[in-house]
Amino acid sequence: AQSVTQPDIHITVSEGASLELRCNYSYGATPYLFWYVQSPGQGLQLLLKYFSGDTLVQGIKGFEAEFKRSQSSFNLRKPSVHWSDAAEYFCAVGHGSSNTGKLIFGQGTTLQVKP
Amino acid sequence: GAGVSQSPRYKVAKRGQDVALRCDPISGHVSLFWYQQALGQGPEFLTYFQNEAQLDKSGLPSDRFFAERPEGSVSTLKIQRTQQEDSAVYLCASSWSLDRAYEQYFGPGTRLTVT
Repeated sequence: AQSVTQPDIHITVSEGASLELRCNYSYGATPYLFWYVQSPGQGLQLLLKYFSGDTLVQGIKGFEAEFKRSQSSFNLRKPSVHWSDAAEYFCAVGHGSSNTGKLIFGQGTTLQVKP
Repeated sequence: GAGVSQSPRYKVAKRGQDVALRCDPISGHVSLFWYQQALGQGPEFLTYFQNEAQLDKSGLPSDRFFAERPEGSVSTLKIQRTQQEDSAVYLCASSWSLDRAYEQYFGPGTRLTVT
């Protein structure tokens, strides 16, 4: 069965520091991979997605992620974090075989940004 | 136009009551999804519609959960005889079409608390 693991439940970084949020997935074929951000009281917002092609994908708000098939990972990065980036981040994998759009989410990583 | 809207935003129900949660997708979006997000967890897939057809309801936790989308637009998630374990945020998402099913736009969710 497909699964997504986000090993870090909570991360604190200083404003201006770099950020990497980890995501590992379990899926038999090439997965569709996503990162979402959820601010308090807000819906999930798509940051970026990977379907195929270039393994380094750029997203909104200065985020990027790299798909590494050998490591079954899709880590999210940002070179310089802003206080407004404090939120919950979810990695998700698409149920690609049926292409219904069904998403499997990880447990999430809460990002706290220190001034 | 407007994004995905959900109502009510908050619902408190006594154990055993029935509740109905509404989702208004983005106009023209063909696909509609319901997810359940327990406290501290990532969203979990409940069910999926393509227009008015419910194509996947594998995630509905029990037969107390029922979803409909009779005219292929607004959807309602109904929970009968609510129980405490039903307390969660219920998220609705919509997307343009089967081809773009993974490009999902999420609503703010309905927080259900069962007392």
